[in-house]
Amino acid sequence: DAGVIQSPRHEVTEMGQEVTLRCKPISGHDYLFWYRQTMMRGLELLIYFNNNVPIDDSGMPEDRFSAKMPNASFSTLKIQPSEPRDSAVYFCASSPDRGSAPAGELFFGEGSRLTVL
Amino acid sequence: GENVEQHPSTLSVQEGDSAVIKCTYSDSASNYFPWYKQELGKRPQLIIDIRSNVGEKKDQRIAVTLNKTAKHFSLHITETQPEDSAVYFCAAHTNAGKSTFGDGTTLTVKP
Repeated sequence: DAGVIQSPRHEVTEMGQEVTLRCKPISGHDYLFWYRQTMMRGLELLIYFNNNVPIDDSGMPEDRFSAKMPNASFSTLKIQPSEPRDSAVYFCASSPDRGSAPAGELFFGEGSRLTVL
Repeated sequence: GENVEQHPSTLSVQEGDSAVIKCTYSDSASNYFPWYKQELGKRPQLIIDIRSNVGEKKDQRIAVTLNKTAKHFSLHITETQPEDSAVYFCAAHTNAGKSTFGDGTTLTVKP
């Protein structure tokens, strides 16, 4: 398997523009997570899905952020409008479900480095 | 919600010495405790994990211990090598599916 695939790897945009980050999880994994990593705040969980359904979006900073998972092989994280403080590395991760509880181990994509000018 | 504290934030050791990183968690429902290594500019990758029904686990030079009563767990790296230099994250995970990460420890191994 190719692992978790994210695009774009790098994005530079201007304040106010819309940003869409994309993720393809590992086939067969039932959980998908979006994390944001910054020096100041470390690794923050933004939202996660189980079987394409959002389970917990309490980490989404504000209404400018939205995430969707229209099918088992694709998810998007959208920021509209973007602001300089959104600059960070955004990681997508997936995890298998083993029986009655998730396995727990996360398989991360390579990340999308976002710079908002 | 879960709160994970990790110490120290930076750790510098001489090659061949041991390194220990400690984490505490708050939610007694957490039952899975992974450790991730992140090299500069790369993704976090799982290096070892432990579940709540086990007190210790070892994989070559890396070991993890868990004290559920005290709600703390530790990563031990023996015979450190320069390639062990990276940021290490601990995490606590519940059956709800959510992993909460510590703030990370930057380990530097000096040759």
